[in-house]
Amino acid sequence: GQQVMQIPQYQHVQEGEDFTTYCNSSTTLSNIQWYKQRPGGHPVFLIQLVKSGEVKKQKRLTFQFGEAKKNSSLHITATQTTDVGTYFCAPKVGNTGFQKLVFGTGTRLLVSP
Amino acid sequence: NAGVTQTPKFQVLKTGQSMTLQCAQDMNHEYMSWYRQDPGMGLRLIHYSVGAGITDQGEVPNGYNVSRSTTEDFPLRLLSAAPSQTSVYFCASSRWTSGNDEQFFGPGTRLTVL
Repeated sequence: GQQVMQIPQYQHVQEGEDFTTYCNSSTTLSNIQWYKQRPGGHPVFLIQLVKSGEVKKQKRLTFQFGEAKKNSSLHITATQTTDVGTYFCAPKVGNTGFQKLVFGTGTRLLVSP
Repeated sequence: NAGVTQTPKFQVLKTGQSMTLQCAQDMNHEYMSWYRQDPGMGLRLIHYSVGAGITDQGEVPNGYNVSRSTTEDFPLRLLSAAPSQTSVYFCASSRWTSGNDEQFFGPGTRLTVL
């Protein structure tokens, strides 16, 4: 079955430091989404990547999709305490018409002021 | 729009009891899904639906049933609750077209099975 691993599992940074989480798949992905879940909350959509080598930016967040479409990353520049939460990658897998969204294992980010 | 709503917010069951978790969305989304999230873990897909009358299994379907009689509703039934089903359950919905399939999640149902 589809294996999607995220590293690291957990990271604790000081406010202002950068943070990166990586998502690795055993198979080629058609596209990948990223979500953020605050403690006690529900996942919230951040972005979707579709094209090989795609790079998208949202303010301090930079998302990349690998050339081979087997990995993706999320980089946060100059973290803030509001960035605390768990970040999940979520590729869409399956055949056209019956695709489903599966979630990676997640990276929990803690930011100290 | 209310978005995705889930009821109840909290539920305690005894082993062997059955119950239905309700999920509704008012965005006319084709795709709906159920996930469970165990403490400190990621989300695992239980069942999903690509439209009314069409459902399929996810990663962890055993012990759960679903049906999709309308576009708006996607209930999840626990047939005979077990302690291993203690978890937080999230329902999500989205359109299902390439480039526009952001998943909208409900607030979750926290289920404890004793």
